[in-house]
Amino acid sequence: GENVEQHPSTLSVQEGDSAVIKCTYSDSASNYFPWYKQELGKGPQLIIDIRSNVGEKKDQRIAVTLNKTAKHFSLHITETQPEDSAVYFCAAGMEYGNKLVFGAGTILRVKS
Amino acid sequence: DAGVIQSPRHEVTEMGQEVTLRCKPISGHDYLFWYRQTMMRGLELLIYFNNNVPIDDSGMPEDRFSAKMPNASFSTLKIQPSEPRDSAVYFCASNARGANNQPQHFGDGTRLSIL
Repeated sequence: GENVEQHPSTLSVQEGDSAVIKCTYSDSASNYFPWYKQELGKGPQLIIDIRSNVGEKKDQRIAVTLNKTAKHFSLHITETQPEDSAVYFCAAGMEYGNKLVFGAGTILRVKS
Repeated sequence: DAGVIQSPRHEVTEMGQEVTLRCKPISGHDYLFWYRQTMMRGLELLIYFNNNVPIDDSGMPEDRFSAKMPNASFSTLKIQPSEPRDSAVYFCASNARGANNQPQHFGDGTRLSIL
């Protein structure tokens, strides 16, 4: 089955700097890679996703890159703000409507 | 639009008691997922349904856990009897596939503490 590894487990950056979180997956059949942000006491919220026919996707300060050959994908947050502080999860799976396997999560702290 | 609704938000009970967690998916979504989140094991899928039918329950830890989806707008996850190691946050998520493809949306979870 699918296995997703996520690094780093914690990341501390200064406000305004960039943050990068990386994930690798094992199942070459996976073709859908969402990223979720979880704040304290809340459920994970989708922030961006990418499908395997695309190499990069951007949404304002957030971007995701995918390398299918190497089976890894990354989340990039530019111009970080204190409200970006949260736990971020990557996941891999087969399109919508199928199960996702989640990474272990990254605690991001943005220091002001 | 209303998101995924879970109840209760918090549950504290003594070991051996039956626990029932509830979930109302987003209207129109035909997939429903139950997850458990712990520090040790992260976010793990327990079971998921499509059109109210269980598709994959391989993540259900043992026979003490059961899940049902009697209709498109309601699902339950039951633990009987409960044990302290069941303490975790349980999340429900839903999505739609097909012409209305949507990613998984999560509820805010039920924090379960078994004493």
